[in-house]
Amino acid sequence: QVQLQQWGAGLLKPSETLSLTCAVYGGSFSDYYWTWIRQPPGKGLEWIGEINHGGSTNYNPSLKSRVTISVDTSKNQFSLKLTSVTAADTAVYYCARGGGTTMIVPIWGQGTMVTVSS
Amino acid sequence: QSALTQPPSASGSPGQSVTISCTGTSSDIGGYNYVSWYQQHPGKAPKLIIYEVSKRPSGVPDRFSGSKSGNTASLTVSGLQAEDEADYYCSSYAGSNNLVFGGGTKLTVL
Repeated sequence: QVQLQQWGAGLLKPSETLSLTCAVYGGSFSDYYWTWIRQPPGKGLEWIGEINHGGSTNYNPSLKSRVTISVDTSKNQFSLKLTSVTAADTAVYYCARGGGTTMIVPIWGQGTMVTVSS
Repeated sequence: QSALTQPPSASGSPGQSVTISCTGTSSDIGGYNYVSWYQQHPGKAPKLIIYEVSKRPSGVPDRFSGSKSGNTASLTVSGLQAEDEADYYCSSYAGSNNLVFGGGTKLTVL
């Protein structure tokens, strides 16, 4: 039974850097892509990007200039950094297992609400 | 990349069938058989209910079915039940290692 547990700062000021980490418990870490997806309040889902155990990344072109996804295989963890945040980055951020060639996302973390406000 | 287009709302009575559409382009839905559908109840994480256009993960009732024609994918929920009331999102591989989602459809069971 794979479980994803995520954490990070929930309140940021404009221009700060969002930082979230997701730990993977159970199952194989090296066989999958690991993904970040966000959902602004009352709105739809937006794919942020993904990484595999080897550190190969793919990013949403609209966020690419501000996003870095990294992996720590020794801890079975992966992380998201989003720089220069604005109110438009206020959202629930989900870590998830999935992506790669098929972009199927079958397993999701519990989500972390991140609010950007001055 | 643009979001896929879904109707904002859909509804049906218990026992009826409802179909939700998801329209994209030849660069996403029309170009690949990697369409997925997710169900999201309020305050919960999305749950995968359909992948690769029409396949169901283990444990998903066969009341949920998916299809695709051209640039449009569809999710049909048959034999509507009260617990099917939720938001539904489509997604598609969009080439160049990108994933795009639809804007979501709120399904109401009358």
